[in-house]
Amino acid sequence: AQSVTQLDSHVSVSEGTPVLLRCNYSSSYSPSLFWYVQHPNKGLQLLLKYTSAATLVKGINGFEAEFKKSETSFHLTKPSAHMSDAAEYFCVVSDRTGGSYIPTFGRGTSLIVHP
Amino acid sequence: SQTIHQWPATLVQPVGSPLSLECTVEGTSNPNLYWYRQAAGRGLQLLFYSVGIGQISSEVPQNLSASRPQDRQFILSSKKLLLSDSGFYLCAWAAGTTEAFFGQGTRLTVV
Repeated sequence: AQSVTQLDSHVSVSEGTPVLLRCNYSSSYSPSLFWYVQHPNKGLQLLLKYTSAATLVKGINGFEAEFKKSETSFHLTKPSAHMSDAAEYFCVVSDRTGGSYIPTFGRGTSLIVHP
Repeated sequence: SQTIHQWPATLVQPVGSPLSLECTVEGTSNPNLYWYRQAAGRGLQLLFYSVGIGQISSEVPQNLSASRPQDRQFILSSKKLLLSDSGFYLCAWAAGTTEAFFGQGTRLTVV
């Protein structure tokens, strides 16, 4: 069985400071891992994905994440936060569960950016 | 290119009324299809998924049902809505372990 734990329900940063959103996963197989962003009342947009290639993954809008198998982590980072980064972020794991691939979501982390 | 359409965008329905939300995918064949629900302040909960026409797996027992009458069509239904069915419903498709692509969602309010 697979699962995802997003360690913080809310993260608050000042504009221009680094962002760290933490994610730990559990998977029986070699998983694919993703980060999505959701702005209020909008659908989900893919930020980046890890699918067993390079462990450091670069995404859109300056975000990146590092896959660490020994720590079962896939934390999302950005060097400098912008006001437009304020949104809900979801970490997602997908592997073969019961013969089908099921994207499993974390509970989400709300990123708050202060001016 | 692949696109996913989900409608309607918003819906206000009285308790006890039926529900039908539709999702269609273009530009791909035999996709895995998913329905998720997002309640206020919570993450996404998988409701149903389908790996082929007529094949539906339910993750959470509830007042809802799903059907896949065509390869790229996925329908979420209810015969009688409950207040607790209110939420943001998202349809998605994926091919294997690649990323899931989401529709824009339906905001359902049951009154």
